[in-house]
Amino acid sequence: QSVLTQPPSVSGAPGQRVTISCSGTSSDIGAGHDVHWYQQLPGTAPKLLINGHTNRPSGVPDRFSGSTSGTSASLAITGLQAEDEADYFCQSYDGSLGEVIFGGGTKLTVL
Amino acid sequence: QVQLVQSGSEWKKPGASVKVSCKASGYTFTGASINWVRQAPGQGLEWMGWINTKTGNPGNARGFTGRFVFSLDTSVRTAYLQISSLKAEDSAIYYCTRDRGSPAGFDSWGQGTLVTVSS
Repeated sequence: QSVLTQPPSVSGAPGQRVTISCSGTSSDIGAGHDVHWYQQLPGTAPKLLINGHTNRPSGVPDRFSGSTSGTSASLAITGLQAEDEADYFCQSYDGSLGEVIFGGGTKLTVL
Repeated sequence: QVQLVQSGSEWKKPGASVKVSCKASGYTFTGASINWVRQAPGQGLEWMGWINTKTGNPGNARGFTGRFVFSLDTSVRTAYLQISSLKAEDSAIYYCTRDRGSPAGFDSWGQGTLVTVSS
C-alpha cells in the first residue's frame, strides 16, 4: 500500500486543465520534505517532471506546475495535449521511516 | 549527456539469484547516489533503497531487506542489485535512478530491467 494517496485516474479534454492531488501526512509532505512528480509514458521509464515542489527541469513545458500546501501537493497540467496521456507519480520522504515514498500513481486519460 | 544503462531482461527459476547492473556515464559517478525502484506488472513505483557512491554504504527500505543487496564497482562506474532466493512475486521491472540530493529528485533513470521468475 502506497504511503502517499493519489486518485487512480483523472481525465480531461484537449486544451483543458487538470489537477492531480497527492495526500500525505505530518511525517512526509507536512514535515516540509521535498515533493517530486514523475511522468511515465506507456512502456517507458519514469521521467522527472517537477522537483522540489515547484521546479521544472530543463525541457519540461511550462504547462506543468507543482504546488504544496500543508500535508498535500498538487500537479496541474494546463492546455492538455494527447501526448500528456500517461501515469503520474508523486514522491516525497518519510522522516519517521527514513524512507523515500511514492504515491500509488494516477492515470491521466485525454478524452 | 547523463545516462544510466541497465543490463538486459532476465528469466530465472524460483530459488535462483539475479544480478542487475546499472552503468553510469556523463557525470561524476560519486556525485550522486544510486537508488533502486521496483515496478511490478501494472503496479506503481516502490523504493527499494539506495547506495552511497562515495562510501559504498547501502540503505535498504523495510520491505527489501535480507535478499536484496546493493553494491558498486566504482572503477567501471557501475551499480548492482542482487536478489537471491527469487520468488514469483519478485517478477517486476527494476529501475536504477540517480539522486543528487535535495531538492533534485530522481533526475535520471535507467531504461529498466525486466526480471521474470517462473518455473
